[in-house]
Order: sequence, then C-alpha cells, then structure tokens
Amino acid sequence: QVQLVESGGGVVQPGGSLRLSCAASGFIFSNYAMHWVRQAPGKGLEWVAFIRYDGSNKYYADSVKGRFTISRDNSKNTLYLQMNSLRAEDTAVYYCAKDSIQRYNYGPTSIDYWGQGTLVTFSS
Amino acid sequence: QLVLTQSPSASASLGASVKLTCTLRSGHSSYAIAWHQQQPEKGPRYLMKLNSDGSHSKGDGIPDRFSGSSSGAERYLTISSLQSEDEADYYCQTWGTGIQVFGGGTKLTVL
Repeated sequence: QVQLVESGGGVVQPGGSLRLSCAASGFIFSNYAMHWVRQAPGKGLEWVAFIRYDGSNKYYADSVKGRFTISRDNSKNTLYLQMNSLRAEDTAVYYCAKDSIQRYNYGPTSIDYWGQGTLVTFSS
Repeated sequence: QLVLTQSPSASASLGASVKLTCTLRSGHSSYAIAWHQQQPEKGPRYLMKLNSDGSHSKGDGIPDRFSGSSSGAERYLTISSLQSEDEADYYCQTWGTGIQVFGGGTKLTVL
C-alpha cells in the first residue's frame, strides 16, 4: 500500500534553514507528481509546493516563493523540501502528498494520498 | 482567482445524514474538486474526487456512506448513517495551472 513518511522537522531559529524529506513506497514514485502541504497550529491546510513526476516543473505558493525549494530523487523514491530564511509564520506540520494522475504533464491535480506529517517549530 | 468557500462548522446526530458544501468562486464552476477528511490529531485522508457533473471516484477503503454531488458552482459531500468517527474536519481542494487551493475546512460535530 502507498506509504509516505516525512522526516526532518524540528526546532529552528528565525532565519534558519531546514530540509524535510519524504520517503515514498507502495507505488511507482517516478510516475507521480508530488506536493508539500502545511498546517499551522489550529489552522487549515495550505498548499506549499508542487513538483512534476520528472522534476521538470515546480510551483510554489507566494508565501514561500524564493525561500523554499522542492526537489526529488526518483532513484531514492524521496521528496525533499529545502526551507531557508525561515520565519515564525512557517511554524506548521508539513505533509508530503501524492498527486493522483500518472505521468501527467499539465500541472497539479487531485491529491490522493497523504503522509502523517513532520512538525516545524521555532525557538525564540 | 481560484477560491473555495466552506462553512466553518456543521453538526448532525449519530445515525443521521449531513451534507457539506464547498463553493467555487464565480467563473470556476466547471472545476473538479477533491474532498479530504482530517480526524483529530491525524493527517488528512483523501475521500474522493468530484467532477462538475457529479461523477466521483472514491479513495481506497472509503465507505459507501460517503458520496458526492454537484450543482453549478457547488460541490457537496454527503455522509449518511453518521458514526462517531466521522467527527472531523473536512476540506475541499481544487487545482489550476501551477496552483493548488484548499477551502477553509468545515468542522463536523456528531451529536
């Protein structure tokens, strides 16, 4: 069955950096686009970033553009999110999510699987 | 601008049915959406993809009690025979060129 396992969250200081990872299994990772979605404490879901199945297209939410970078290693079945210049408002649980359509060339579509999330918090 | 609107809360009695609504902003009434459930202290779970014509495809293991329908710019999630474990937040999601959008979520309370 599909499994998405995030790691790399932790406590950071404002202005710091962190790299999140998502290990995927149970499907052909290289055939599917992937997403990062976050959820601030007590708030709703916010889409963060998208990467096409082959890594050739990437899109970002305006709130993270220029600070976050999504990437993937299809040989390792792993998705990444490099987060730089972190701000207090980036505090959230970060979820890795799988797009639903195989080898789709036209951007994001429906998410059909989610990970359990990894928490990023700030120290004062 | 692609926007989804959901009521913040809903409630219904154990064993009853409830219909949650997700509204697409004017000009986007043909868009498909997806429904996701988030139980307390858990990650989200995909329920179904719902097209503008009301056709839908459900995720793995989603019970028949969950169904979707559409009317114009409105997308609905109906849960019948409510159970205690259906108490959760429900989010709709849609997508466009280079963007994903989530509704604000509806918190469902099962009385």
